[in-house]
Amino acid sequence: AQSVTQLDSHVSVSEGTPVLLRCNYSSSYSPSLFWYVQHPNKGLQLLLKYTSAATLVKGINGFEAEFKKSETSFHLTKPSAHMSDAAEYFCVVSDIGGYNKLIFGAGTRLAVHP
Amino acid sequence: GAGVSQSPSNKVTEKGKDVELRCDPISGHTALYWYRQSLGQGLEFLIYFQGNSAPDKSGLPSDRFSAERTGGSVSTLTIQRTQQEDSAVYLCASRPENQNTEAFFGQGTRLTVV
Repeated sequence: AQSVTQLDSHVSVSEGTPVLLRCNYSSSYSPSLFWYVQHPNKGLQLLLKYTSAATLVKGINGFEAEFKKSETSFHLTKPSAHMSDAAEYFCVVSDIGGYNKLIFGAGTRLAVHP
Repeated sequence: GAGVSQSPSNKVTEKGKDVELRCDPISGHTALYWYRQSLGQGLEFLIYFQGNSAPDKSGLPSDRFSAERTGGSVSTLTIQRTQQEDSAVYLCASRPENQNTEAFFGQGTRLTVV
């Protein structure tokens, strides 16, 4: 069965420092993996996706993630945090074994301090 | 419209009443998902449609919850005899059949049971 574990419920960084949001997944098939962001009182927006092409995926707003099959990880990174990055981030897995159902992680709340 | 549309955007109902929430997916998207997000929480999967059929209803919390989809398009989520714990934001998403594509989310219906 598919599952997603976001290893940190809260992450706090200073503006201008790197961001690392950790995600581990479980899948019996070749998964598709996504990161979504939700700003306060806003809808869900896709940051980036992995779909079995390049393992290093670049997304919007300077975010990127690397698919590591051996570690079953898909961590989200950004070299330099901006105040506007403060939001909730969700890691999502989907595979054909689960009828392409999207399984969400519990979310990581990112706080950015001046 | 170009995006996923949900109506109403807000709904306040009295405990014990029935409510219907509507989702208009993006035209041509065969997959449709319903999720629930309680205050400060992650996304709870409710049900998934592929065309008009629902291969996975495992997330429906109780038999008070039901959903249907007609014509491979519009979906309605019905909650009977609403309870206060049903208060949440109900999110709908649609996706093309290809599992390598991302899901597109509506803005949600905020349900408040008083």
